[in-house]
Amino acid sequence: RKEVEQDPGPFNVPEGATVAFNCTYSNSASQSFFWYRQDCRKEPKLLMSVYSSGNEDGRFTAQLNRASQYISLLIRDSKLSDSATYLCVVNMGPGGSYIPTFGRGTSLIVHP
Amino acid sequence: NAGVTQTPKFRILKIGQSMTLQCTQDMNHNYMYWYRQDPGMGLKLIYYSVGAGITDKGEVPNGYNVSRSTTEDFPLRLELAAPSQTSVYFCASKGQEGSPLHFGNGTRLTVT
Repeated sequence: RKEVEQDPGPFNVPEGATVAFNCTYSNSASQSFFWYRQDCRKEPKLLMSVYSSGNEDGRFTAQLNRASQYISLLIRDSKLSDSATYLCVVNMGPGGSYIPTFGRGTSLIVHP
Repeated sequence: NAGVTQTPKFRILKIGQSMTLQCTQDMNHNYMYWYRQDPGMGLKLIYYSVGAGITDKGEVPNGYNVSRSTTEDFPLRLELAAPSQTSVYFCASKGQEGSPLHFGNGTRLTVT
């Protein structure tokens, strides 16, 4: 079983749609969870951290479910500019240092 | 504030050549990481460092070496380049255990 798993997609949605991605992780001792956005193999850029209570940033909502070991990202009112690959990152532990471990990414294509 | 700086941006190597990918950060971050990303795949950890003088292997360390003589610099060395090392290489840093990663712009390496 891979440590961090994501559905690679692509998710093809029209503008204005709501779309959700999930990411599962294998290590129950994991700490710190993030969603990154990556465009055309440029460097990943932080989209948002994921907190236990859930958090929202504009059209984006992130949730953490520790019991089922997954995190989710919800995008409302999709824009053309949201087209990108969304990477899930989990700091895998335990140990002296938690290693940021990436999923392979989920591709989102927003069309007119 | 430059953040994380990687050089070079692009490089073509012949099989058997060696090179050093440079990475420097000006944020006084203790944690630094080298990842590689192959087409359609997530980022895989090559080596990481939790502070000056300390380095450790990641998931795919074979064929690479690193050093961390200062807090700022974390160079990645390829001794005998092989076609399998054709990839995009990202350096990243973070200040604290639960913090998100800051990425450099990446180095696109082709070995022929």
